[in-house]
Amino acid sequence: EPEVTQTPSHQVTQMGQEVILRCVPISNHLYFYWYRQILGQKVEFLVSFYNNEISEKSEIFDDQFSVERPDGSNFTLKIRSTKLEDSAMYFCASSDQVGINSNQPQHFGDGTRLSIL
Amino acid sequence: AQKVTQAQTEISVVEKEDVTLDCVYETRDTTYYLFWYKQPPSGELVFLIRRNSFDEQNEISGRYSWNFQKSTSSFNFTITASQVVDSAVYFCALREETSGSRLTFGEGTQLTVNP
Repeated sequence: EPEVTQTPSHQVTQMGQEVILRCVPISNHLYFYWYRQILGQKVEFLVSFYNNEISEKSEIFDDQFSVERPDGSNFTLKIRSTKLEDSAMYFCASSDQVGINSNQPQHFGDGTRLSIL
Repeated sequence: AQKVTQAQTEISVVEKEDVTLDCVYETRDTTYYLFWYKQPPSGELVFLIRRNSFDEQNEISGRYSWNFQKSTSSFNFTITASQVVDSAVYFCALREETSGSRLTFGEGTQLTVNP
Protein backbone atom coordinates (compact mmCIF):
# COMPACT_ATOMS: atom_id res chain seq x y z
CA GLU A 1 0.00 0.00 0.00
CA PRO A 2 1.43 3.40 -0.96
CA GLU A 3 2.45 5.58 1.95
CA VAL A 4 3.75 9.01 2.86
CA THR A 5 7.42 8.92 3.83
CA GLN A 6 9.21 11.49 5.95
CA THR A 7 12.90 12.07 6.59
CA PRO A 8 14.63 12.29 8.94
CA SER A 9 12.74 10.50 11.68
CA HIS A 10 14.50 12.62 14.29
CA GLN A 11 16.25 15.96 13.84
CA VAL A 12 18.21 17.72 16.56
CA THR A 13 19.08 21.36 15.86
CA GLN A 14 20.54 24.28 17.75
CA MET A 15 18.21 27.19 18.40
CA GLY A 16 18.49 29.80 15.67
CA GLN A 17 19.50 27.32 13.00
CA GLU A 18 17.51 26.59 9.88
CA VAL A 19 15.96 23.16 9.46
CA ILE A 20 14.35 21.46 6.49
CA LEU A 21 11.95 18.58 6.97
CA ARG A 22 11.33 16.39 3.97
CA CYS A 23 8.33 14.43 2.80
CA VAL A 24 7.45 12.27 -0.16
CA PRO A 25 3.66 12.24 -0.51
CA ILE A 26 1.70 9.41 -2.10
CA SER A 27 2.42 9.64 -5.82
CA ASN A 28 -1.04 10.31 -7.26
CA HIS A 29 -2.10 12.70 -4.54
CA LEU A 30 -2.67 16.37 -5.29
CA TYR A 31 -3.00 17.99 -1.87
CA PHE A 32 -0.19 18.18 0.66
CA TYR A 33 -0.19 19.24 4.28
CA TRP A 34 2.00 19.84 7.29
CA TYR A 35 0.78 19.42 10.85
CA ARG A 36 2.64 19.53 14.12
CA GLN A 37 2.11 17.88 17.48
CA ILE A 38 3.80 19.26 20.55
CA LEU A 39 4.57 16.44 22.97
CA GLY A 40 1.44 15.24 24.72
CA GLN A 41 -0.84 17.63 22.88
CA LYS A 42 -3.20 17.45 19.95
CA VAL A 43 -2.29 17.57 16.30
CA GLU A 44 -2.41 21.11 14.85
CA PHE A 45 -2.74 22.17 11.22
CA LEU A 46 0.06 24.28 9.78
CA VAL A 47 -0.39 24.58 6.03
CA SER A 48 -1.96 23.03 2.96
CA PHE A 49 -0.48 23.13 -0.53
CA TYR A 50 -2.06 22.56 -3.91
CA ASN A 51 -1.05 23.30 -7.47
CA ASN A 52 2.35 24.60 -6.37
CA GLU A 53 1.06 27.17 -3.97
CA ILE A 54 -0.16 27.49 -0.42
CA SER A 55 -3.93 27.10 -0.32
CA GLU A 56 -4.37 27.65 3.38
CA LYS A 57 -2.26 28.31 6.46
CA SER A 58 -2.87 28.59 10.17
CA GLU A 59 -1.82 31.34 12.56
CA ILE A 60 1.07 29.11 13.64
CA PHE A 61 2.55 29.25 10.14
CA ASP A 62 4.31 32.60 10.42
CA ASP A 63 7.13 34.11 8.38
CA GLN A 64 9.64 31.67 9.87
CA PHE A 65 7.96 28.82 8.02
CA SER A 66 7.94 28.07 4.33
CA VAL A 67 6.99 25.13 2.16
CA GLU A 68 8.20 24.04 -1.22
CA ARG A 69 7.72 21.31 -3.77
CA PRO A 70 11.15 21.42 -5.39
CA ASP A 71 10.50 18.56 -7.78
CA GLY A 72 7.75 16.15 -8.71
CA SER A 73 8.02 14.04 -5.60
CA ASN A 74 9.32 15.94 -2.56
CA PHE A 75 7.45 18.36 -0.32
CA THR A 76 9.50 20.25 2.25
CA LEU A 77 8.89 22.37 5.33
CA LYS A 78 11.58 24.89 6.22
CA ILE A 79 11.87 26.64 9.54
CA ARG A 80 14.21 29.59 9.06
CA SER A 81 15.39 30.36 12.58
CA THR A 82 14.28 27.70 15.00
CA LYS A 83 13.03 28.49 18.48
CA LEU A 84 12.74 26.22 21.50
CA GLU A 85 8.97 26.16 21.09
CA ASP A 86 9.33 24.67 17.61
CA SER A 87 10.22 21.37 19.26
CA ALA A 88 7.45 18.98 18.19
CA MET A 89 6.57 16.08 15.98
CA TYR A 90 5.94 17.31 12.44
CA PHE A 91 3.62 15.28 10.26
CA CYS A 92 3.32 15.47 6.52
CA ALA A 93 0.06 14.31 4.94
CA SER A 94 -1.38 14.01 1.48
CA SER A 95 -4.77 13.39 -0.05
CA ASP A 96 -6.21 12.91 -3.49
CA GLN A 97 -9.25 15.04 -2.89
CA VAL A 98 -10.23 17.13 -5.85
CA GLY A 99 -12.47 20.00 -4.97
CA ILE A 100 -13.80 20.84 -1.56
CA ASN A 101 -16.78 18.52 -1.66
CA SER A 102 -14.77 15.45 -0.88
CA ASN A 103 -14.40 13.19 2.12
CA GLN A 104 -11.09 11.72 1.06
CA PRO A 105 -8.93 11.17 4.14
CA GLN A 106 -5.52 12.66 4.59
CA HIS A 107 -2.85 10.01 4.86
CA PHE A 108 -0.06 10.82 7.26
CA GLY A 109 3.61 9.96 7.34
CA ASP A 110 5.35 8.62 10.41
CA GLY A 111 6.47 12.10 11.43
CA THR A 112 9.77 13.85 12.10
CA ARG A 113 10.57 14.53 15.71
CA LEU A 114 12.27 17.94 15.85
CA SER A 115 14.24 18.75 18.97
CA ILE A 116 15.56 22.29 19.38
CA LEU A 117 18.41 22.70 21.86
CA ALA B 1 -14.49 27.23 21.78
CA GLN B 2 -13.25 23.75 21.05
CA LYS B 3 -14.49 22.49 17.74
CA VAL B 4 -13.74 18.88 18.57
CA THR B 5 -14.04 17.65 22.13
CA GLN B 6 -12.90 14.30 23.36
CA ALA B 7 -13.88 14.39 26.99
CA GLN B 8 -12.23 11.08 27.86
CA THR B 9 -8.55 11.75 28.42
CA GLU B 10 -7.68 8.16 29.31
CA ILE B 11 -9.54 4.87 29.21
CA SER B 12 -8.28 1.58 30.55
CA VAL B 13 -9.97 -1.73 29.77
CA VAL B 14 -9.20 -5.39 30.00
CA GLU B 15 -8.69 -7.37 26.83
CA LYS B 16 -11.91 -8.56 25.14
CA GLU B 17 -13.97 -5.77 26.62
CA ASP B 18 -15.85 -3.45 24.30
CA VAL B 19 -14.86 0.21 24.52
CA THR B 20 -16.48 3.37 23.14
CA LEU B 21 -14.56 6.55 22.51
CA ASP B 22 -16.61 9.72 22.56
CA CYS B 23 -16.32 12.69 20.22
CA VAL B 24 -18.45 15.82 20.19
CA TYR B 25 -17.96 18.43 17.51
CA GLU B 26 -19.10 21.95 16.86
CA THR B 27 -19.67 23.49 13.46
CA ARG B 28 -22.00 25.87 11.67
CA ASP B 29 -21.39 24.22 8.33
CA THR B 30 -24.11 22.02 6.91
CA THR B 31 -21.52 19.96 5.04
CA TYR B 32 -18.60 18.57 6.99
CA TYR B 33 -16.56 15.41 7.38
CA LEU B 34 -15.53 13.48 10.45
CA PHE B 35 -12.60 11.14 10.87
CA TRP B 36 -10.99 8.91 13.45
CA TYR B 37 -7.24 8.43 13.53
CA LYS B 38 -5.14 6.10 15.69
CA GLN B 39 -1.69 7.00 17.03
CA PRO B 40 0.08 3.91 18.44
CA PRO B 41 3.11 4.25 20.75
CA SER B 42 5.39 4.31 17.70
CA GLY B 43 3.93 7.74 16.89
CA GLU B 44 2.48 7.50 13.40
CA LEU B 45 -1.07 8.61 12.61
CA VAL B 46 -3.23 5.95 11.03
CA PHE B 47 -6.53 6.73 9.33
CA LEU B 48 -9.38 4.52 10.59
CA ILE B 49 -12.80 5.72 9.50
CA ARG B 50 -14.65 8.70 7.99
CA ARG B 51 -18.20 9.93 7.81
CA ASN B 52 -19.93 12.67 5.80
CA SER B 53 -22.41 14.98 7.46
CA PHE B 54 -25.09 13.98 4.98
CA ASP B 55 -24.75 10.27 5.65
CA GLU B 56 -25.93 9.25 9.10
CA GLN B 57 -25.91 5.55 8.44
CA ASN B 58 -23.87 3.84 11.09
CA GLU B 59 -21.61 1.02 10.06
CA ILE B 60 -19.54 -1.82 11.33
CA SER B 61 -16.16 -2.72 9.92
CA GLY B 62 -14.64 -5.73 11.57
CA ARG B 63 -14.17 -4.89 15.25
CA TYR B 64 -14.77 -1.19 14.62
CA SER B 65 -18.14 0.53 14.54
CA TRP B 66 -19.22 4.13 14.76
CA ASN B 67 -22.30 6.00 15.82
CA PHE B 68 -22.83 9.33 14.11
CA GLN B 69 -25.68 11.45 15.47
CA LYS B 70 -26.14 14.93 14.04
CA SER B 71 -28.83 15.76 16.60
CA THR B 72 -26.25 15.59 19.38
CA SER B 73 -23.19 16.48 17.24
CA SER B 74 -21.51 13.28 18.27
CA PHE B 75 -19.33 10.79 16.40
CA ASN B 76 -18.52 7.97 18.75
CA PHE B 77 -16.22 5.08 17.92
CA THR B 78 -16.49 1.58 19.37
CA ILE B 79 -13.96 -1.20 19.41
CA THR B 80 -15.48 -4.60 20.05
CA ALA B 81 -13.50 -7.30 21.82
CA SER B 82 -10.51 -5.04 22.41
CA GLN B 83 -6.99 -6.36 22.03
CA VAL B 84 -3.69 -5.24 23.53
CA VAL B 85 -2.62 -3.98 20.08
CA ASP B 86 -5.51 -1.51 20.20
CA SER B 87 -3.62 0.44 22.87
CA ALA B 88 -3.01 3.88 21.36
CA VAL B 89 -4.15 7.47 21.37
CA TYR B 90 -7.28 7.92 19.29
CA PHE B 91 -8.03 11.27 17.66
CA CYS B 92 -11.33 12.48 16.31
CA ALA B 93 -11.00 15.11 13.55
CA LEU B 94 -13.33 17.47 11.72
CA ARG B 95 -13.06 19.01 8.27
CA GLU B 96 -15.52 21.80 7.57
CA GLU B 97 -16.58 22.75 4.07
CA THR B 98 -15.92 26.43 4.72
CA SER B 99 -12.51 25.83 6.32
CA GLY B 100 -10.83 24.45 3.25
CA SER B 101 -8.98 21.22 3.68
CA ARG B 102 -7.62 21.59 7.19
CA LEU B 103 -8.38 18.96 9.78
CA THR B 104 -9.21 20.10 13.30
CA PHE B 105 -8.27 17.44 15.80
CA GLY B 106 -9.57 16.75 19.27
CA GLU B 107 -7.25 16.37 22.24
CA GLY B 108 -7.16 12.60 21.88
CA THR B 109 -8.10 9.70 24.12
CA GLN B 110 -5.39 7.41 25.43
CA LEU B 111 -6.73 3.86 25.32
CA THR B 112 -4.89 1.20 27.27
CA VAL B 113 -5.94 -2.40 26.82
CA ASN B 114 -4.54 -4.64 29.53
CA PRO B 115 -4.06 -8.38 29.07
